[in-house]
Amino acid sequence: ETGVTQTPRHLVMGMTNKKSLKCEQHLGHNAMYWYKQSAKKPLELMFVYNFKEQTENNSVPSRFSPECPNSSHLFLHLHTLQPEDSALYLCASSQGDRGQPQHFGDGTRLSIL
Amino acid sequence: EDQVTQSPEALRLQEGESSSLNCSYTVSGLRGLFWYRQDPGKGPEFLFTLYSAGEEKEKERLKATLTKKESFLHITAPKPEDSATYLCAVITGTASKLTFGTGTRLQVTL
Repeated sequence: ETGVTQTPRHLVMGMTNKKSLKCEQHLGHNAMYWYKQSAKKPLELMFVYNFKEQTENNSVPSRFSPECPNSSHLFLHLHTLQPEDSALYLCASSQGDRGQPQHFGDGTRLSIL
Repeated sequence: EDQVTQSPEALRLQEGESSSLNCSYTVSGLRGLFWYRQDPGKGPEFLFTLYSAGEEKEKERLKATLTKKESFLHITAPKPEDSATYLCAVITGTASKLTFGTGTRLQVTL
């Protein structure tokens, strides 16, 4: 596989469920990112990891919990989500976290019932 | 706060009808400006990075330019397969955060 792979592609969950989104990059990059994309809004950065260390948390509610076990894998653990959390969640990676282009996966379309 | 504004919001062109998309920005300490293409149901696909005013990059029918206040994405003789949403983003200062615009939705018809 090449590029950035995200699973699942679609997820429907209730407000009380717990689920996780997975991202894997095959580009040899050391920085990984989670973004949220909602209709009619710009992409919003959620978290940044560089060499497995979290370097940015963009004031994201604690119901979103990221995990980065190594430079190739990134997870987003979800619990007690709200309907307004329905969106496309995108993972990206880059070589360094200081201005190099970020390469995106195709996202997980999340729907909260 | 960094701001990125893209215009127009939507653009409909006939095949072969050249045009330009605009990305204006209000930032402190621009370190790079990025153009992405996003197809429905897909993630953004990286097109170009521009680092300094006067810089230009080209790829097939696309050409990106940068001034101190804005960037243009010129599309020459577009084809239907160029239909997509084009996103502009900036990175500033020492941050690792990309600030995105809301995009221009381009439709190219036969």
